[in-house]
Amino acid sequence: DAGITQSPRHKVTETGTPVTLRCHQTENHRYMYWYRQDPGHGLRLIHYSYGVKDTDKGEVSDGYSVSRSKTEDFLLTLESATSSQTSVYFCAIRDSGTAVDGYTFGSGTRLTVV
Amino acid sequence: AQSVTQLDSHVSVSEGTPVLLRCNYSSSYSPSLFWYVQHPNKGLQLLLKYTSAATLVKGINGFEAEFKKSETSFHLTKPSAHMSDAAEYFCVLTGTASKLTFGTGTRLQVTL
Repeated sequence: DAGITQSPRHKVTETGTPVTLRCHQTENHRYMYWYRQDPGHGLRLIHYSYGVKDTDKGEVSDGYSVSRSKTEDFLLTLESATSSQTSVYFCAIRDSGTAVDGYTFGSGTRLTVV
Repeated sequence: AQSVTQLDSHVSVSEGTPVLLRCNYSSSYSPSLFWYVQHPNKGLQLLLKYTSAATLVKGINGFEAEFKKSETSFHLTKPSAHMSDAAEYFCVLTGTASKLTFGTGTRLQVTL
């Protein structure tokens, strides 16, 4: 399995503060994704990256930004955290050069905005 | 646009009885479809995937799914439920740029 780690695993932050979540992979995969999981919604795509410095928006990108300056790291930033961004955040990588071989997910970051 | 509909938000079965979790999809092209499982407070694990090679797909832990293009369905089944199957299950569709579209999930409860 591809090595993928998310940090931190848990975070509590105050409304209005910036927060950065990190996703790190060890196997040089090109595609990386950030999803949020909320009850009744499944997982929804926030942003994704298809290479270093190549990123694009997903369906729920408002209030979030991303950066990918190295292949192995994909950072998600909440520019000014709000209570509606309390969620569990998952990073994912695509495991091969095509879409058919599956995706690997990180263990998730549980973020609480108070 | 593409979408995934999981027809049941919650399914309860007795241990040893069959499991059926229903999924319908909408896609303008030939899709790749997946089922993922998430145990409580855990990440997501791939159960199985359909990629047009065979319409009946076998996965891990005795699960299988059948792709039916005419019905735009990809239902997940297992002949005999085990207590360890209790989890949330997601039907997932790939799209452009390999982005995944998730269903809203089905919580499977297994009772003695």
